[in-house]
Amino acid sequence: NAGVTQTPKFQVLKTGQSMTLQCAQDMNHNSMYWYRQDPGMGLRLIYYSASEGTTDKGEVPNGYNVSRLNKREFSLRLESAAPSQTSVYFCASSEMGGVYNEQFFGPGTRLTVL
Amino acid sequence: AQSVTQLGSHVSVSEGALVLLRCNYSSSVPPYLFWYVQYPNQGLQLLLKYTTGATLVKGINGFEAEFKKSETSFHLTKPSAHMSDAAEYFCAGLGAGSYQLTFGKGTKLSVIP
Repeated sequence: NAGVTQTPKFQVLKTGQSMTLQCAQDMNHNSMYWYRQDPGMGLRLIYYSASEGTTDKGEVPNGYNVSRLNKREFSLRLESAAPSQTSVYFCASSEMGGVYNEQFFGPGTRLTVL
Repeated sequence: AQSVTQLGSHVSVSEGALVLLRCNYSSSVPPYLFWYVQYPNQGLQLLLKYTTGATLVKGINGFEAEFKKSETSFHLTKPSAHMSDAAEYFCAGLGAGSYQLTFGKGTKLSVIP
């Protein structure tokens, strides 16, 4: 039982390049999330998927797109990377919302945009 | 709107001393509240959560937190700090029915031998 897995662990991009961050969970959770973590800012929600087939914007969605590929997988895409997107990205999943929203986190992807 | 405030971005305690990390929330309805821990270069791990019922919540690794509605607080405590407790701690709140956790900015705990 791997929990939440993320690939890649590290990535360096040049400004304007695109990339997709992959996330998968094996806990049969309905809901999945993408966060970014910046020093002194805590975690900020980028997008979430309450259930398969739905996605919604979080606090900081600009510059990102997401795809809920199936119940297990939720990807985050940067179409044209900018230095301001240098951050650590975390994927999380939960059984569902509300009282069942104990979120389980992946190990993170460290992204640097030059 | 839900907001979570953690007082103190850095806290240092001596090994064996009391750990107290402060968290206040703002909300017009009792929220669901969580404490997460993040060890260096790792993801977040749930320490404990408050949903309803008992206001004193016990978590893993000897941590506990008390929900005080009158003070809108959910402070995290541990009677005796260990070196292994050195990490960053995040308080988070969730409005009823919501999918969006609102995180505090985090408190980095250092434990001095």
